[in-house]
Order: sequence, then C-alpha cells, then structure tokens
Amino acid sequence: SQKIEQNSEALNIQEGKTATLTCNYTNYSPAYLQWYRQDPGRGPVFLLLIRENEKEKRKERLKVTFDTTLKQSLFHITASQPADSATYLCALGGDSSYKLIFGSGTRLLVRP
Amino acid sequence: SAVISQKPSRDICQRGTSLTIQCQVDSQVTMMFWYRQQPGQSLTLIATANQGSEATYESGFVIDKFPISRPNLTFSTLTVSNMSPEDSSIYLCSVRQGAGEKLFFGSGTQLSVL
Repeated sequence: SQKIEQNSEALNIQEGKTATLTCNYTNYSPAYLQWYRQDPGRGPVFLLLIRENEKEKRKERLKVTFDTTLKQSLFHITASQPADSATYLCALGGDSSYKLIFGSGTRLLVRP
Repeated sequence: SAVISQKPSRDICQRGTSLTIQCQVDSQVTMMFWYRQQPGQSLTLIATANQGSEATYESGFVIDKFPISRPNLTFSTLTVSNMSPEDSSIYLCSVRQGAGEKLFFGSGTQLSVL
C-alpha cells in the first residue's frame, strides 16, 4: 500500500539556521507533491507544490526539491525564525485522482 | 483563496451521543472533503461531499457512522454518530477551488469523547 514517511521526531534548530525536512514515499508515483504548514489548533495551510517533472521550487525563504528516483522530497527553510515553528506536512497527489495522501508531519522548533 | 468557517471548534461529548460539525465556505466549490486527524497521525480522508449526490466514503468509513449533508455549494455537515472514545480526534473540512490542486482547510473541530 502507499506509504509516506516523515520524521516523527521534532527538529530543533537555532534561529538563523536552515531547517531541512524530509518526506519519503513508497508504492506510489505521484504527479505532484505539496507541503503544508499546521499550527496547533489550526487547519493545514498550503505552502508549495512541486510537480514530478520539476526538480526544485522556491518561494521566498522556502525551497522544495523532488527526486522521483529516490522517491523523496526535501523541504528547506533558510534563515529560520521562531515564527517558523510549526508542524509541516507533505502530501502526494496524482493526475488521475483528486485525493491527497498526507504524511504525519514533522514538528519544527526554532530556538531564538 | 477560500475562507472556511468550521464549528464547533471543540466539544466534549458523552459516549453514545452524536455531534454535527458544520463547514461554511465563502465561495461556491464543487468538492468538499472531510478529514480526520488522530494524535500524531496523518490526515485521513473520511469522505468527499458532492452537492446534489451522496457522499463518497473511503475504505473504513461508513455512512451510518459519519452521515454527511451537502445542501448547496457553500455548506456541508459531518455527523459523528453513536460516539465512542475511539472517535476522539480532530475533524477537518477542506475544499478545492476550481481545477487547482491545493486544499484549503477549516480550523478543525477537536472532539473528545468520554
């Protein structure tokens, strides 16, 4: 069955450093991959989408890579700030289905 | 972007009772989705609510337990019926706008069943 793995352990980094989160998947060939941010008591908020034919996508301090051979996406936040502290979810989607499959998320803590 | 109002934001319920969660969108959308998010786990799709037709349920979820209404293109309800402590979770509604792939989510309903 399809499986998405995100590091269940929280990532704890110092303000100003680059945070790198990993999303690995198996038994799936997604047409695109998305990253969402979720704060406590809130619903997820869309951040970035990257398609299978794209290697990298950037938006301000965010960068996403997508390696369909390794079946992996990396999500980077440069010059991290305490306000970036949240849980980050990856989600996979296919052209033939409207459904998204979500990972369980990785919690990021940025220390001042 | 779509703005979604979901209520209640949280509730504590007794075993055997039912709770109806409401989701209101500020624009007309074709597809609305109901998710469950259990502690430390990923979002799991319960069903897709289609206006004018019955909801489509995912494996492991049935209409008798999670009846859904979709009376128009801006509103949907999810009822959690005959609740047990295992139903304690966050329930989220979400929508797609047009042909876009990204989802917009409500703030969620934190449900605790005693």
